[in-house]
Amino acid sequence: GQNIDQPTEMTATEGAIVQINCTYQTSGFNGLFWYQQHAGEAPTFLSYNVLDGLEEKGRFSSFLSRSKGYSYLLLKELQMKDSASYLCAVRDQNQAGTALIFGKGTTLSVSS
Amino acid sequence: AAGVIQSPRHLIKEKRETATLKCYPIPRHDTVYWYQQGPGQDPQFLISFYEKMQSDKGSIPDRFSAQQFSDYHSELNMSSLELGDSALYFCASSPGTGGLITEAFFGQGTRLTVV
Repeated sequence: GQNIDQPTEMTATEGAIVQINCTYQTSGFNGLFWYQQHAGEAPTFLSYNVLDGLEEKGRFSSFLSRSKGYSYLLLKELQMKDSASYLCAVRDQNQAGTALIFGKGTTLSVSS
Repeated sequence: AAGVIQSPRHLIKEKRETATLKCYPIPRHDTVYWYQQGPGQDPQFLISFYEKMQSDKGSIPDRFSAQQFSDYHSELNMSSLELGDSALYFCASSPGTGGLITEAFFGQGTRLTVV
């Protein structure tokens, strides 16, 4: 089976740094993805990791440890528009068409 | 840049009716995924297609069926609709590229309301 866990909610203030954790237990592993989703809108791609380590992309960074089944998304210099749900997703096979399986998402609220 | 197009954007149906949702992937993407997202829930994977063949299957009810056509667009057919089918239905596409990692790009979704 597959199990992907994230905190349900987090709060932070504008300009701060926040780390959203994700742990996963899947039958296989072929990449971990982070998506951002505003209410009622489509998920938008933020980052992916397939090898251990940190991937940096502007204000967003994502880290992966395959041996620990653990990832985090780091958001720096938070802005009000970063208030959204952040979804961790895993692809467990390397065959074409294998779907991303999502965690339940972390709702981040950024206040001024 | 072209994105994933879904139609209709909104749909209202009565219980026991049928509905057809359409998805047009990004050009040159040969893989399509369907997800169902209820209020406050994460996207639940339903089914996917690669090169017009079903490639992965999730929690799609037997009342639903889907296919991918020769132009790579996909349709999700839903019959005997129930109140619990009310949700946002997302389609996503990606290039197949075998085992290479690629992200899935999501359409804006179809909001289905069953009354």
